[in-house]
Amino acid sequence: GAVVSQHPSWVICKSGTSVKIECRSLDFQATTMFWYRQFPKQSLMLMATSNEGSKATYEQGVEKDKFLINHASLTLSTLTVTSAHPEDSSFYICSANPGTSGYNEQFFGPGTRLTVL
Amino acid sequence: GQNIDQPTEMTATEGAIVQINCTYQTSGFNGLFWYQQHAGEAPTFLSYNVLDGLEEKGRFSSFLSRSKGYSYLLLKELQMKDSASYLCAAVDSNYQLIWGAGTKLIIKP
Repeated sequence: GAVVSQHPSWVICKSGTSVKIECRSLDFQATTMFWYRQFPKQSLMLMATSNEGSKATYEQGVEKDKFLINHASLTLSTLTVTSAHPEDSSFYICSANPGTSGYNEQFFGPGTRLTVL
Repeated sequence: GQNIDQPTEMTATEGAIVQINCTYQTSGFNGLFWYQQHAGEAPTFLSYNVLDGLEEKGRFSSFLSRSKGYSYLLLKELQMKDSASYLCAAVDSNYQLIWGAGTKLIIKP
């Protein structure tokens, strides 16, 4: 149980275009999902907390107008990178907590590798 | 500020034992996670400690000392497939995960 999927697994786009990444909890409902970014050889960096039915909470330094988050249902959150630039190239990972383990265990999606040319 | 420290890289031999240390400084503490991350993949859960002591799970064990702000992950009978990055993450008073940069473990035959 507690499977999280992401789509697409990788994407290449031109500078200036927008890219949407989907995160789905397949066998549980998640009122909260988390979006991370990871640059090569670096740790996970929390970008934002996605809340179902309300606005996302962004970490300091993350542009909310550039990284649009929509948590449309209890099983789906989307991250849209608007007007992508080469410096946005990174590994984007979502996670969710099914709330059944008694502690704050996060289950991660497989990640989306974004390359902006 | 909040901070997690772990070694950047370690090398060990197949069949041996390796200990990966992690020290943390957080505002409040609600437990510590260890995750394994293979290159190009998302992290997978290994262990969670919130009480002092050693938790054993097969070849992997995790230890926590809350008074020292210290944890370690112990891997026994190393296999080549254990080559990965190992991420330490502490849970602060707001139940946010504070991530370390990860320790890249290289296993040699």
